[in-house]
Amino acid sequence: SAVISQKPSRDICQRGTSLTIQCQVDSQVTMMFWYRQQPGQSLTLIATANQGSEATYESGFVIDKFPISRPNLTFSTLTVSNMSPEDSSIYLCSVAKTGSPGLHGYTFGSGTRLTVV
Amino acid sequence: LAKTTQPISMDSYEGQEVNITCSHNNIATNDYITWYQQFPSQGPRFIIQGYKTKVTNEVASLFIPADRKSSTLSLPRVSLSDTAVYYCLVGDSLNTGGFKTIFGAGTRLFVKA
Repeated sequence: SAVISQKPSRDICQRGTSLTIQCQVDSQVTMMFWYRQQPGQSLTLIATANQGSEATYESGFVIDKFPISRPNLTFSTLTVSNMSPEDSSIYLCSVAKTGSPGLHGYTFGSGTRLTVV
Repeated sequence: LAKTTQPISMDSYEGQEVNITCSHNNIATNDYITWYQQFPSQGPRFIIQGYKTKVTNEVASLFIPADRKSSTLSLPRVSLSDTAVYYCLVGDSLNTGGFKTIFGAGTRLFVKA
């Protein structure tokens, strides 16, 4: 399976600032996703990062707040803009490869723990 | 996307077999059933996937009845290190495009000594 390097692993940021999280994959992948996981909660899908085009956002998430780039098949960034304490969470990158039916799986990065003060 | 329902938490003892059942009454014909494991401070990790009947790998077994409206993850002889959150997901194969992974609440398994 793919190996993901997600950076930074954690950060403490001032409210009103922005943080860009990077997701680097060791091989080309078809699909890349960004999730948010609040403490003790399940994962919530933010958006699907599309290579060469605008990301597809889930309900409740907008591009102005969470701009996403995906310049190629191995790299993506998520920016958390104009942060507030409510944005404190773990942000995870996930990738998937196409394959034979039933043989696919998703690989997750180790996450970025963000604290906004 | 089919919604899944799992128990919120389960307790077990070392050496026991643990079965976690997931309900997915609205599963579609093309949907696969996938289970993930998540430890604290880590991203979820793929455990097993199936479409029907039984699937077994080195980590777990997955039992899926004929109607596919539920599935059971079976962990043989659990150890303390199996304490984690287990997620059941249902979705279409990537080959048909547009697949995205929606996580339910998951089952928090706590293994005691």
